[in-house]
Amino acid sequence: SQTIHQWPATLVQPVGSPLSLECTVEGTSNPNLYWYRQAAGRGLQLLFYSVGIGQISSEVPQNLSASRPQDRQFILSSKKLLLSDSGFYLCAWSVTHLVKDTQYFGPGTRLTVL
Amino acid sequence: GENVEQHPSTLSVQEGDSAVIKCTYSDSASNYFPWYKQELGKGPQLIIDIRSNVGEKKDQRIAVTLNKTAKHFSLHITETQPEDSAVYFCAAPNTGFQKLVFGTGTRLLVSP
Repeated sequence: SQTIHQWPATLVQPVGSPLSLECTVEGTSNPNLYWYRQAAGRGLQLLFYSVGIGQISSEVPQNLSASRPQDRQFILSSKKLLLSDSGFYLCAWSVTHLVKDTQYFGPGTRLTVL
Repeated sequence: GENVEQHPSTLSVQEGDSAVIKCTYSDSASNYFPWYKQELGKGPQLIIDIRSNVGEKKDQRIAVTLNKTAKHFSLHITETQPEDSAVYFCAAPNTGFQKLVFGTGTRLLVSP
């Protein structure tokens, strides 16, 4: 069966520090991968998605970036965090790029920027 | 692009009652509508979905109905239990860009 992992589970970082969040998927090949952010009490905002290694699409302008160095690894990064980057970051995967394909979410990373 | 509206934002019911959450969408080409349940501090989990070739789908106490003409779909939970308390999200595809657009969520509280 397929599983998705995210780490760390929680993170507290000072403003201006770098960020690296990691997501890995097991049990499937060439998944479609997504990064979402959820602000407190809010819905899900799509940040990035990837249909393959090295292929990243950005949804919103921000100081975040994403990379996919391996087939089942998706990384969210920042060079300098802002207070507004605080939130719950979720990675998700789907079998294909088809939007009608179910997306499965990971456990999330709670990021607090102080 | 797709616009998804979800109501209500909060819903309180007594255990055993039914709960209904409604979503509307704007893209008439949308053909897939999932519902997710998110418990506190966890990632959303798919609980049920429906595709545009059917009008209703049931899974035990959970059902989803779809009205393509009116462009709305609803989640129905019968015989609610305290463990149903969570935030529920609907979603619809932005077919032009191959991504899901999520509603803003409904916080359901089931009181014993």
